[in-house]
Amino acid sequence: KAGVTQTPRYLIKTRGQQVTLSCSPISGHRSVSWYQQTPGQGLQFLFEYFSETQRNKGNFPGRFSGRQFSNSRSEMNVSTLELGDSALYLCASSYLAGGQETQYFGPGTRLLVL
Amino acid sequence: DQQVKQNSPSLSVQEGRISILNCDYTNSMFDYFLWYKKYPAEGPTFLISISSIKDKNEDGRFTVFLNKSAKHLSLHIVPSQPGDSAVYFCAASATGTASKLTFGTGTRLQVTL
Repeated sequence: KAGVTQTPRYLIKTRGQQVTLSCSPISGHRSVSWYQQTPGQGLQFLFEYFSETQRNKGNFPGRFSGRQFSNSRSEMNVSTLELGDSALYLCASSYLAGGQETQYFGPGTRLLVL
Repeated sequence: DQQVKQNSPSLSVQEGRISILNCDYTNSMFDYFLWYKKYPAEGPTFLISISSIKDKNEDGRFTVFLNKSAKHLSLHIVPSQPGDSAVYFCAASATGTASKLTFGTGTRLQVTL
């Protein structure tokens, strides 16, 4: 099976712009989560989508939003970009089997805000 | 407020010996725990998980121990191999699943020859 894919891998934007990141989960996985990784804050949970519905949400401002499509692909949008939004954005898909949930991460999209 | 703590930023172990990585948590609502390893420029790779109803889970060379009363978990790697050199993160969830994870700050493991 192909792994979790994220596009684009690298992105440079300027303050005030908006950005959309894309994530394709592993085939058959219905849950997609997004995380932000920065040197100062580490890995932080943004939100999780399951069957096109947001199931969990982290403590990020409303400028961060997401959605999931019927094929489980997910997009994350950040509006009015700030310098502090520069980070590695990771997407993960998961499935439950044998009572154990396993979560697989993509390679991430590195966003630089100038 | 760091709810999941990995107090050792780095660890060096000889090849063939046991590596023990530790993680402490403060939130008593956490009920599912996972370990990941991460190489530079890659996403974290899932290693092993444990539910709060268990105190041990094994998968090959990896064993995770959970001590709920101490709010402590550890990852044992036996035997350690040079390919195990990476940053290891523990993560915890209060949802009973691998959702809404709170990650520790990571421990860099170096396995030497």
